[in-house]
Amino acid sequence: NAGVTQTPKFRVLKTGQSMTLLCAQDMNHEYMYWYRQDPGMGLRLIHYSVGEGTTAKGEVPDGYNVSRLKKQNFLLGLESAAPSQTSVYFCASSTTQGYGYTFGSGTRLTVV
Amino acid sequence: AQSVAQPEDQVNVAEGNPLTVKCTYSVSGNPYLFWYVQYPNRGLQFLLKYITGDNLVKGSYGFEAEFNKSQTSFHLKKPSALVSDSALYFCAVRDIGGGGFKTIFGAGTRLFVKA
Repeated sequence: NAGVTQTPKFRVLKTGQSMTLLCAQDMNHEYMYWYRQDPGMGLRLIHYSVGEGTTAKGEVPDGYNVSRLKKQNFLLGLESAAPSQTSVYFCASSTTQGYGYTFGSGTRLTVV
Repeated sequence: AQSVAQPEDQVNVAEGNPLTVKCTYSVSGNPYLFWYVQYPNRGLQFLLKYITGDNLVKGSYGFEAEFNKSQTSFHLKKPSALVSDSALYFCAVRDIGGGGFKTIFGAGTRLFVKA
């Protein structure tokens, strides 16, 4: 019963490098989300998806892209990493009712 | 626009005493309200939710929360705190009237329970 799995768990990037964070869920949830967590700011929504092949912008989408080619996977990409993107990234999924999210364990990203 | 506020950055309580973690919200329609807990180096875990019905909702680990529509509050409570309750707690709101797929999280309140 894995729930939501995020890879990698840790990563250090140099400014300008690119990377992709992978989120996989095995609960057949329709909706998936990417959040970033910064001290004192709680969680802020980056992008979300309400189904396979669909994506939408959240509060802080700049500098990020996403794709949902398969229902169970939601990818977050950074094309040209910046120090301001140093954060902990969480993926979550939910049913269409959105009665509660299931979160992954997070990816700690440092951009130097 | 929906928003949620957790007015206390930190709450300190002695083990065995009751605890309250405060949350207020603002939505244009009717809210779905949630509490989550985060332990160090872990993702958020769902504690409880208010959707409709009884204003007092019970959740995991002995926690409960009371929905107060007139005060737009959803405070988290527990009658007797445990040291193991020490963690970061997030209140969250989803505005169902806004047709939202998005849940907004508060900044979090760190709870310290002293033995």
